[in-house]
Amino acid sequence: NAGVTQTPKFRVLKTGQSMTLLCAQDMNHEYMYWYRQDPGMGLRLIHYSVGEGTTAKGEVPDGYNVSRLKKQNFLLGLESAAPSQTSVYFCASSYSPLTSKSYNEQFFGPGTRLTVL
Amino acid sequence: GENVEQHPSTLSVQEGDSAVIKCTYSDSASNYFPWYKQELGKRPQLIIDIRSNVGEKKDQRIAVTLNKTAKHFSLHITETQPEDSAVYFCAATNFNKFYFGSGTKLNVKP
Repeated sequence: NAGVTQTPKFRVLKTGQSMTLLCAQDMNHEYMYWYRQDPGMGLRLIHYSVGEGTTAKGEVPDGYNVSRLKKQNFLLGLESAAPSQTSVYFCASSYSPLTSKSYNEQFFGPGTRLTVL
Repeated sequence: GENVEQHPSTLSVQEGDSAVIKCTYSDSASNYFPWYKQELGKRPQLIIDIRSNVGEKKDQRIAVTLNKTAKHFSLHITETQPEDSAVYFCAATNFNKFYFGSGTKLNVKP
């Protein structure tokens, strides 16, 4: 049981390049989330998904796209990277509230450190 | 949307003392309030949580209190130890969107 994993762990991009971050969970969770963490600003929600095939915008969605084609995977895409997207990205997942007593607990992945030059 | 404010941003205590971190929220519909601990370079990990139908919850040296009327909740750590040094985040949610505070860096001096 690996929990929540993220690929890659580190990445350096040049302005204008594109990339995809992969999040995978093996806990059969319904909900998945992408956050970015910047110094002094806590965690900010980029996009989230409440089930396979669904996505929704969070607090800071501009410049990012997501897809949830399989229940266990949640992809975060940067189509044209900008220096303002330099950050640490965390993926998280949680149970459906209908199936677990700890329904709101979020489990985080190890993070991806992205630098855009 | 929800707005979560967290204070203080840094907190330094002597080993054995107590530490208190406070958060306020704006959306009265929020009903779940977790606290996360994040060590340097690591992922956030849940340490305690509280739901809106409970006023206080305790787990060994840590406790959380919730005042729904005033819309604030607090984390209390007693008998602090050097391994408690980390960044602590509060959060609030009313279903599936989580809003986090900006974090408190706790330093426990031996």
